[in-house]
Amino acid sequence: DGGITQSPKYLFRKEGQNVTLSCEQNLNHDAMYWYRQDPGQGLRLIYYSQIVNDFQKGDIAEGYSVSREKKESFPLTVTSAQKNPTAFYLCASSKTSGSKDNEQFFGPGTRLTVL
Amino acid sequence: GIQVEQSPPDLILQEGANSTLRCNFSDSVNNLQWFHQNPWGQLINLFYIPSGTKQNGRLSATTVATERYSLLYISSSQTTDSGVYFCAVPKAAGNKLTFGGGTRVLVKP
Repeated sequence: DGGITQSPKYLFRKEGQNVTLSCEQNLNHDAMYWYRQDPGQGLRLIYYSQIVNDFQKGDIAEGYSVSREKKESFPLTVTSAQKNPTAFYLCASSKTSGSKDNEQFFGPGTRLTVL
Repeated sequence: GIQVEQSPPDLILQEGANSTLRCNFSDSVNNLQWFHQNPWGQLINLFYIPSGTKQNGRLSATTVATERYSLLYISSSQTTDSGVYFCAVPKAAGNKLTFGGGTRVLVKP
């Protein structure tokens, strides 16, 4: 099946630890995105990547890092510098990041809780 | 940056009722998406509708780009329609989506 997978589904972290969230897509999409959702809120963009080996900061990048070594994969690391990391994290991809063929599709998400 | 506002924030419907959700945006856009977030958090694509009208079963959407709004119509609502409905538009280059605050819909049997 074609789609976007995220793992793990639930993640618990102690304060001061870094954790990495996985996002994989087999849709052959060039662009990938990470969003954060807090309870009762809409989504906010953390980082995005328009092509392999390239990525840019979104609106709330502080305390996060990413890599894009393969087209299919866009892992997100939540570092200890992120002051309030407990949230729902959603990964998305689109065929392009231009003005056409840019419909975004989302993975099932990872719920991160800091203990 | 672009602002996206959705109304109403909450909506309670009796099963079988019809409803209209609204999305206003502050700048011209080349894309607009409607999503349904189910109780498990999954965002399901409903419509990709930069302009015009589209229909998919009991749902339809209309975007009037020149007046900067979009409407989502739910007809003959069912309990499975419950959840949160988001609209989102891209900011400038890079296709970065800005989301509205959502409309929380509860359909009662």
